[in-house]
Amino acid sequence: DGGITQSPKYLFRKEGQNVTLSCEQNLNHDAMYWYRQDPGQGLRLIYYSQIVNDFQKGDIAEGYSVSREKKESFPLTVTSAQKNPTAFYLCASSIDPARRYGYTFGSGTRLTVV
Amino acid sequence: KNEVEQSPQNLTAQEGEFITINCSYSVGISALHWLQQHPGGGIVSLFMLSSGKKKHGRLIATINIQEKHSSLHITASHPRDSAVYICAVRSGGSARQLTFGSGTQLTVLP
Repeated sequence: DGGITQSPKYLFRKEGQNVTLSCEQNLNHDAMYWYRQDPGQGLRLIYYSQIVNDFQKGDIAEGYSVSREKKESFPLTVTSAQKNPTAFYLCASSIDPARRYGYTFGSGTRLTVV
Repeated sequence: KNEVEQSPQNLTAQEGEFITINCSYSVGISALHWLQQHPGGGIVSLFMLSSGKKKHGRLIATINIQEKHSSLHITASHPRDSAVYICAVRSGGSARQLTFGSGTQLTVLP
């Protein structure tokens, strides 16, 4: 079955460390997105990519980095510059930049800074 | 002020009850999404609509563009419907223009 796989489900990081969250899709979708979810708030866009080797900053890109070397993969690195990284991170994809179709979401990664 | 407001924030119902979750938005939109987030965190897309009404099983979504309002209805609710329901609106063609509500936590008791 096609879908989005995020790993790991839970991740613990020490302060000052970089960590990378994995997002893989086998849906042949062009567009991929990273969102952050905090309690009581709506999802906020971190980065998005509409095509391989291209990506754009979202609303809260500071302290994060991404790459899109393959259509199937869109990893997110949470750097030590991110002041408050503890959150739930969701990856999503869509056939095109969601102009006509909906989104497919992954199951998320919960990151905790210890 | 959030561009997307959902109500109620929390809702508890008895099994079998008819449920309504509301979403109001303040910008012009090209589409509205209803999403379901399960306790584990994964999100499923339920509906995408730009006018009128859509139905899938026991779920019905309606939108009134003039009033900038959408509702999600669940008929004959069941404990497995317990989840967070999220409304999101698209106000343009860019991915940056998708704005999410903070969600409605629904609990259906047996």
